[in-house]
Amino acid sequence: DAGITQSPRHKVTETGTPVTLRCHQTENHRYMYWYRQDPGHGLRLIHYSYGVKDTDKGEVSDGYSVSRSKTEDFLLTLESATSSQTSVYFCAISKQEGGNTEAFFGQGTRLTVV
Amino acid sequence: GENVEQHPSTLSVQEGDSAVIKCTYSDSASNYFPWYKQELGKRPQLIIDIRSNVGEKKDQRIAVTLNKTAKHFSLHITETQPEDSAVYFCAATGGTSYGKLTFGQGTILTVHP
Repeated sequence: DAGITQSPRHKVTETGTPVTLRCHQTENHRYMYWYRQDPGHGLRLIHYSYGVKDTDKGEVSDGYSVSRSKTEDFLLTLESATSSQTSVYFCAISKQEGGNTEAFFGQGTRLTVV
Repeated sequence: GENVEQHPSTLSVQEGDSAVIKCTYSDSASNYFPWYKQELGKRPQLIIDIRSNVGEKKDQRIAVTLNKTAKHFSLHITETQPEDSAVYFCAATGGTSYGKLTFGQGTILTVHP
């Protein structure tokens, strides 16, 4: 599992509330990513990080923010959850410097916004 | 940015038959093409990958081919088994993309005993 842990694994929240998902890695990898998975869309990149305090937007970043204050933790925050953010969220790490190499995924977090 | 198209969206085969899934990409700078298998309720797991300096790669019953000129790559599974049933995703990345993967939409493969 490449030492990746996501928490929580499941969450139900109400529209308009803030939500934070956590990704924790134990192998000191520089690159970390947050993807969302929806039927018919595959996995789409939300945000990524290329080092502590170094983050950037992905394809579907609206409504999301991230923080990386330590190498091992990458947090994804939904500032004000909406029903369109109901999805399965996967964190991933890339094992080598410079990217373009194997990515390993966490177990996923199923988020339901009601 | 990169765009990856994957076909077919569903594929149904009999056990023992071959299965082929095809992907096209748009960014000529892409140089790494992984394939992931995702079983129901599980995380995507890497099953095979290919880099742009290689035209074909095999690992037992699975193989991937890459045509850089046409910007397409394919996954081939031979002698399919029921446990091959899953969703398969292709992806592409490269250049200065920091390892960001662009995924295809996925193919639901069903292998009938």
